[in-house]
Amino acid sequence: GAGVSQSPSNKVTEKGKDVELRCDPISGHTALYWYRQSLGQGLEFLIYFQGNSAPDKSGLPSDRFSAERTGGSVSTLTIQRTQQEDSAVYLCASSRPRVEDGYTFGSGTRLTVV
Amino acid sequence: QKEVEQDPGPLSVPEGAIVSLNCTYSNSAFQYFMWYRQYSRKGPELLMYTYSSGNKEDGRFTAQVDKSSKYISLFIRDSQPSDSATYLCAMSANSGNTPLVFGKGTRLSVIA
Repeated sequence: GAGVSQSPSNKVTEKGKDVELRCDPISGHTALYWYRQSLGQGLEFLIYFQGNSAPDKSGLPSDRFSAERTGGSVSTLTIQRTQQEDSAVYLCASSRPRVEDGYTFGSGTRLTVV
Repeated sequence: QKEVEQDPGPLSVPEGAIVSLNCTYSNSAFQYFMWYRQYSRKGPELLMYTYSSGNKEDGRFTAQVDKSSKYISLFIRDSQPSDSATYLCAMSANSGNTPLVFGKGTRLSVIA
């Protein structure tokens, strides 16, 4: 597709449930990033995939968070045993190898844990 | 101290005003600087990119980087209501694909 696609756009879940968020990046973009955006907190880096290299998981806030990227394309971010503090907008971005090209972001998944 | 500091605003200006948005940073290794614009319920989109110190102009937008002061700015001339959005600064130390570090964003409203 022409842009980064994320699904679902909105997700309401009960505390303690697991959720899966999906990101379909731009074809040909080798890098894929997950960020979290909370009110007043800005964009918080979560995880980064580059080609076939091991992902950079340094931003994941706890072991309840995990992500995978299959076939160098679609990525899934999984949050297990959701907590209310997990409520945020989860943004996915993809990019080409040159930093000056910047990131192309999806519109995000708005997660609400009740 | 966070790596990147940005005043969250909100900032409200009349149409036609010159807007100045700023970020400071602490990591002297940063040399790639960007500004993103984010409309409500949308993802951020790249607005300006600058490498190292200096100015860059694109239409009504000018980005400035002062590495000696660890300070970057975005100026918007002749601001329009369509410029109403959140503006985020972002920066990186490396030219490859490494995660950008973002500021919290400044919410701007341009009033007609």
